[in-house]
This record gives sequence, structure tokens and C-alpha cells, in this order.
Amino acid sequence: QSVLTQPPSVSGAPGQKVTISCTGSSSNIGAGYHVHWYQQLPGTAPKLLIYGNSNRPSGVPDRFSGSKSGTSASLAITGLQAEDEADYYCQSYDISLRGSVFGGGTKLTVL
Amino acid sequence: QLQLQESGPGLVKPSETLSLTCTVSGGSIYSSSYYWGWIRQPPGKGLEWIGSIYYSGSTYYNPSLKSRVTISIDTSKNQFSLKLSSVTAADTAVYYCARVPVGMDAFDIWGQGTMVTVSS
Repeated sequence: QSVLTQPPSVSGAPGQKVTISCTGSSSNIGAGYHVHWYQQLPGTAPKLLIYGNSNRPSGVPDRFSGSKSGTSASLAITGLQAEDEADYYCQSYDISLRGSVFGGGTKLTVL
Repeated sequence: QLQLQESGPGLVKPSETLSLTCTVSGGSIYSSSYYWGWIRQPPGKGLEWIGSIYYSGSTYYNPSLKSRVTISIDTSKNQFSLKLSSVTAADTAVYYCARVPVGMDAFDIWGQGTMVTVSS
């Protein structure tokens, strides 16, 4: 299983807000390492959505926001749109493994 | 703008070595501002970091793959490469190359990915 734990799936209706959690441990998120989030649309490469816990790259709508607390992090998507239907992954650094680690991914379904 | 493109065989036999190259265009790979990494994704599964390399040649590998992985960099060709030895069906995946800004630790630019199947 993945070092970072995400729910396998979440869903919401258009216009609603959804939150995706990412739970780590004292060797990664809890050790103070940043959490990053990626969006992967079907059949495409992942795209950086949030970096450094809560920063959006240029071009990412402010409907997407990230936060971190303790050994966990969250990605929130407000004003849900059909085009947000995708897989979302969190990523951090693990001091025990001395490398990057990913969550198992969360499939977002827009109802 | 910077682009990354993976290339290499789409089919590799079991026990052989998988070899892929990532060509960087629109910018120089010889930069102290970035690392360059490989990530893979088995069909229907999640992402797995394979390893990363700095322009100086320093490498960092996933401990679970370290004994089989070699990542190298060719600054004259603006390319970096992945070799994975003794492959099995479990190594079947889409392989991505990506850029990592120093101090950011996030993969900010990705290649489109290339599917590699391990089969006889």
C-alpha cells in the first residue's frame, strides 16, 4: 500500500464542495515536509495542482485550495465542475525512505 | 516553453533491461535550479517515484527499486535516461519523466508518458 493514504473515491454534485484527504506519518508530512497535489485527467499525464501545501501554479483556478495540519493534508475543490472529474494524487517527501512518496490516488466523480 | 518527451521500446522481454530516454526541449537540463525525475504508473494503479538526478550527476533512487535502477544524464544532448534491469511483468507501466525545481520538491512539468509492456 501507499505511504500516504487517500480515500479511493469521492463524489459531489456540480457547484458543491469536495475535500480529499491525505494522511501521512511523522516521517513525511508530520516531519514538516511539503505536500503537493496533482490532477490526472483520463489518459493524460498528471498536472501539478497545488505545491508547497497551499500554493497554486499559474493557471490553476482558485477553486482549488490546499491545507496541511499535523500528519495530514487536504485538497478542497469548490464550485465543482464536470471538467474536475479526474484522479487526484498527493505527494510528499519521506525522510525514512529518502525520497518522494505518493498517495494511492482519489477518483473524483462529478454527479 | 519547456517540454519533456519520453522515448524507448514499448515492449521488453522478462529478465531484460528496460531503457528509456527523456529529451528536454525549450530549456537547458544543465541547471542548478532543477532535478530531473522518473515516475511510473502501472495500468489502473497509482504513481510511484522511481528516482531523480541532479545536473551534476547525483542520483536518488526509490529504495524498493534501487538495486535495479540506474539514472544518468547527458547534458550535451539535453537528455536523461532510465535503465531498469531484470524486469518482470510487475514493471509494466506508463513511465513519465518530470522536472523538479530545487527547494520545491514537486514535479512541476511532466512528459506525456510512454507505455512499456514486459512480456515474452
